[in-house]
Amino acid sequence: QVQLKQSGPGLVQPSQSLSITCTVSGFSLTSYGVHWVRQSPGKGLEWLGVIWSGGSTDYNAAFISRLSISKDNSKSQVFFKMNSLQANDTAIYYCARRAYDYDAMDYWGQGTSVTVSS
Amino acid sequence: ETTVTQSPASLSMAIGEKVTIRCITSTDIDDDMNWYQQKPGEPPKLLISEGNTLRPGVPSRFSSSGYGTDFVFTIENMLSEDVADYYCLQSDNLPLTFGGGTKLEIK
Repeated sequence: QVQLKQSGPGLVQPSQSLSITCTVSGFSLTSYGVHWVRQSPGKGLEWLGVIWSGGSTDYNAAFISRLSISKDNSKSQVFFKMNSLQANDTAIYYCARRAYDYDAMDYWGQGTSVTVSS
Repeated sequence: ETTVTQSPASLSMAIGEKVTIRCITSTDIDDDMNWYQQKPGEPPKLLISEGNTLRPGVPSRFSSSGYGTDFVFTIENMLSEDVADYYCLQSDNLPLTFGGGTKLEIK
């Protein structure tokens, strides 16, 4: 069945970077894109960016200067990296599969709870 | 960027009542609206996708309607298991944008 499993740190120092790996199973990254979304009490659900099945990316303009998404199709892994984190980046970060024939997310990872604090 | 305004922010309904949640978008998005349910400690679950399409396995008491800028999500005959947060998501254009959410509780 379709699964997305996330791995990454729970605590990040201010001004440091966050890296999360999303390992997928039950589908191929050559056929499906993967979105990244975060959820914080203050700003609700926020779309961060997407890597399409062909490998191109689109980012939320608010994060474009400090966000990078890449993937390794052969390992079924998607890599998320956000730089220069501050306290207001504290949130749960999710990877989620783009549905086959429309842009919404149909399956989600379990989420990575990230706290930015010294 | 399309802004999505969701209302109400919270709702308290009795078992068996009809639940209605509304999302209004700042731009015309055709029928590219999606609806999610989120329970505590879990990621959002897609209930209804673009074109008011009920996802496989989702109970038929859930439905939605709307086109353009005005969208409505309905739960007929609320059950206790429907207690959750609900979100709308427009997928017509990037950046994808969510409504602010509705917290549904039992009266």
